Amino acid sequence: GGIITQTPKFLIGQEGQKLTLKCQQNFNHDTMYWYRQDSGKGLRLIYYSITENDLQKGDLSEGYDASREKKSSFSLTVTSAQKNEMAVFLCASSMDWFSSQNTLYFGAGTRLSVL
Amino acid sequence: GDSVTQTEGPVTVSESESLIINCTYSATSIAYPNLFWYVRYPGEGLQLLLKVITAGQKGSSRGFEATYNKETTSFHLQKASVQESDSAVYYCALGNSNNRIFFGDGTQLVVKP
Repeated sequence: GGIITQTPKFLIGQEGQKLTLKCQQNFNHDTMYWYRQDSGKGLRLIYYSITENDLQKGDLSEGYDASREKKSSFSLTVTSAQKNEMAVFLCASSMDWFSSQNTLYFGAGTRLSVL
Repeated sequence: GDSVTQTEGPVTVSESESLIINCTYSATSIAYPNLFWYVRYPGEGLQLLLKVITAGQKGSSRGFEATYNKETTSFHLQKASVQESDSAVYYCALGNSNNRIFFGDGTQLVVKP
């Protein structure tokens, strides 16, 4: 089996700071995703990447940038952290983009707090 | 748009009791969406519990079952006898024609010994 590794596990930032979250997968999956989850809420899609060097905006892309440097890695940047922001960011991968039947495989998450 | 609504938690049940977590969906982009239940156990990442891609079919895993009901647009999660180890957060999800997955808000299940 494979694994998705997110770093860091916890991220504390200052208002206005640029913050980067990283994700690595060894499934050899084509497609990767970044979701945001606020407390007690479902997952909202920020960015996804169908394949290496591809980037697609999700429903919540404003305030974020993403980069798919290579097939196995997908990073997310919070361009300007908002004061008192607290959320968990989840990275996921799936075999490819061609079917919504595909299972998503998730990392453990990065918990963000902004002071 | 496409969306999923599920039982608001927390849901508390005693060990060996039966469980049902309701999930209803709204799909405007596709007549027969793919339906999923994902689960997050304490200290672990979100993972697939079961999925059903054909209306009228039932999926099962780890003693849980869910039936894809096109008439009532529902995909309720059931288990006849829960265990303490089933304590987790359960998410209903829908896959649409644009290969997007939409998640519900999650239902925390607490199983008392």
